[in-house]
Amino acid sequence: QKEVEQNSGPLSVPEGAIASLNCTYSDRGSQSFFWYRQYSGKSPELIMSIYSNGDKEDGRFTAQLNKASQYVSLLIRDSQPSDSATYLCAVIGSNYQLIWGAGTKLIIKP
Amino acid sequence: GAGVSQSPSNKVTEKGKDVELRCDPISGHTALYWYRQSLGQGLEFLIYFQGNSAPDKSGLPSDRFSAERTGGSVSTLTIQRTQQEDSAVYLCASSLGVRAGYEQYFGPGTRLTVT
Repeated sequence: QKEVEQNSGPLSVPEGAIASLNCTYSDRGSQSFFWYRQYSGKSPELIMSIYSNGDKEDGRFTAQLNKASQYVSLLIRDSQPSDSATYLCAVIGSNYQLIWGAGTKLIIKP
Repeated sequence: GAGVSQSPSNKVTEKGKDVELRCDPISGHTALYWYRQSLGQGLEFLIYFQGNSAPDKSGLPSDRFSAERTGGSVSTLTIQRTQQEDSAVYLCASSLGVRAGYEQYFGPGTRLTVT
């Protein structure tokens, strides 16, 4: 059973701080990794994709991938109340099926 | 360009009735996915279509659920004899393909309520 695990939270972070969201996956052959943001009552929105080991930065967001340890993380710098949402990790495994984590609820406190 | 569109945005139906949900993917996207999300829960994969290949129906919860994709574009998800447990948000997503690296983009969803 290929799995993607996330802490359900809620993760509470003060405004202006760095929010760190983590995701682990079981399929060592996984090739592509995605972070989606989902506001309450809305559909998921793609915010980052990462395919190779290391860091990928886009504005206030940094995705980090470590294939040896089978984890992918998302850092949000200078957290804003508008970042409060559920963050979903998704992984394309070795059989090209997209596996979703259950999501981490992030709360940014003003 | 235009994103994924879904209709209707809300649907209220009586238990036992059939419903049809529509998805129009991003132009040029060959892969189309249907998911279900119950309140406070994660995404539940239902079915995906890739070009002219046979769809992957492995996520459909029962034979009351079916989907088709006409002309490689618009898709319809049909739920027959609806039950109260079918109440959820039904999300459609599309991507350039199903191989590694292809990002999925979601429509706004259809909120289905079975009374």
